[in-house]
Amino acid sequence: KQEVTQIPAALSVPEGENLVLNCSFTDSAIYNLQWFRQDPGKGLTSLLLIQSSQREQTSGRLNASLDKSSGRSTLYIAASQPGDSATYLCALSAGKSTFGDGTTLTVKP
Amino acid sequence: NAGVTQTPKFQVLKTGQSMTLQCAQDMNHNSMYWYRQDPGMGLRLIYYSASEGTTDKGEVPNGYNVSRLNKREFSLRLESAAPSQTSVYFCASSEALFRGSYEQYFGPGTRLTVT
Repeated sequence: KQEVTQIPAALSVPEGENLVLNCSFTDSAIYNLQWFRQDPGKGLTSLLLIQSSQREQTSGRLNASLDKSSGRSTLYIAASQPGDSATYLCALSAGKSTFGDGTTLTVKP
Repeated sequence: NAGVTQTPKFQVLKTGQSMTLQCAQDMNHNSMYWYRQDPGMGLRLIYYSASEGTTDKGEVPNGYNVSRLNKREFSLRLESAAPSQTSVYFCASSEALFRGSYEQYFGPGTRLTVT
């Protein structure tokens, strides 16, 4: 059974810092990995999707990488802003989707 | 495009009552999903529909039923609500089932409390 772990559970940084969120998984037989953002009381917004054959995807200040051999994905956020404060979840699809519990990010002005 | 819409946004039920959560998408997606989100448990798949006319159980299907009414709509029914079904319910859709380059798009959620 696929297990997805996101560490740390919470992270607080000052505005302007570059930061990395981690997602680790136990089964590398996946179709894709998707990173989401969830604001309090809201649904999930898709940020980036990395297909199994890809190593990374970029969108603006976000860069996500995938290393299947080590069972790890990272989400890099450059020059963080208070508006980036949210919970970030990773989800792996391998027949069905398995979600991590998320990392709650607070960016302080 | 509205994307994925869900109704209602909030609902309070008494134990034993029934209700149906509605979901619709306007992206012409083939696959649709129902998840529940609980603190400390993450998102768990309840049921999914790979395409119009098909439905399958996910990780936590007990106590729920679904109907894929047409390509746009996928409803979730609680026949006899229990306090353990207090949760936030999310509907999602994707162009195809889980794989490849097909992103999942989520609705805003339904916050259900069963007393």
